[in-house]
Amino acid sequence: KAGVTQTPRYLIKTRGQQVTLSCSPISGHRSVSWYQQTPGQGLQFLFEYFSETQRNKGNFPGRFSGRQFSNSRSEMNVSTLELGDSALYLCASSYMTSGRASEQFFGPGTRLTVL
Amino acid sequence: AQSVTQLGSHVSVSEGALVLLRCNYSSSVPPYLFWYVQYPNQGLQLLLKYTSAATLVKGINGFEAEFKKSETSFHLTKPSAHMSDAAEYFCAVRGSGAGSYQLTFGKGTKLSVIP
Repeated sequence: KAGVTQTPRYLIKTRGQQVTLSCSPISGHRSVSWYQQTPGQGLQFLFEYFSETQRNKGNFPGRFSGRQFSNSRSEMNVSTLELGDSALYLCASSYMTSGRASEQFFGPGTRLTVL
Repeated sequence: AQSVTQLGSHVSVSEGALVLLRCNYSSSVPPYLFWYVQYPNQGLQLLLKYTSAATLVKGINGFEAEFKKSETSFHLTKPSAHMSDAAEYFCAVRGSGAGSYQLTFGKGTKLSVIP
């Protein structure tokens, strides 16, 4: 079974631009979560989607948004990029059993550099 | 609210020596606990998980961890370090209740293995 895939793997943008990152979960997984990883703040939760609905959101500004499609693929968007948005963005998927999520399986991440 | 504290941002061990990475958690509900490993330029790989079954959990690559409720700890150990264990290790906590799917991570511990 293929793992979680994220595209693109690397991105370079300039301040003020916007960016869209994509995540394809493991087949059969309906929950997708996004995390931001930086040297200073570590791994921080951005948001979680299940069946096209955002269920949970971390403490990030409204410039960070996401969505999930009917095939469970997810995208996250960052508008008006700032230097501090440079980070590794990780997507994780999990399946549901008895109403509870399994462990999260992570993709390789998208490395975003904002110049 | 949940939190994780990993003691020691860097740990060095000799090849063949015991590996001990410390993790303490705080959770207002019975926790699910996880250890993930991250190799350079890669995503997170699950090493092991505690989900309220056995308190001693065995994972991949010879790692294990023991859940100690009285000490709120979930330390990761491996009897004999191998060069390939050099990586960054993250402890994470998640609530066991329905709807609590986001992971809260520790700051990570970078493990170096000295030949």
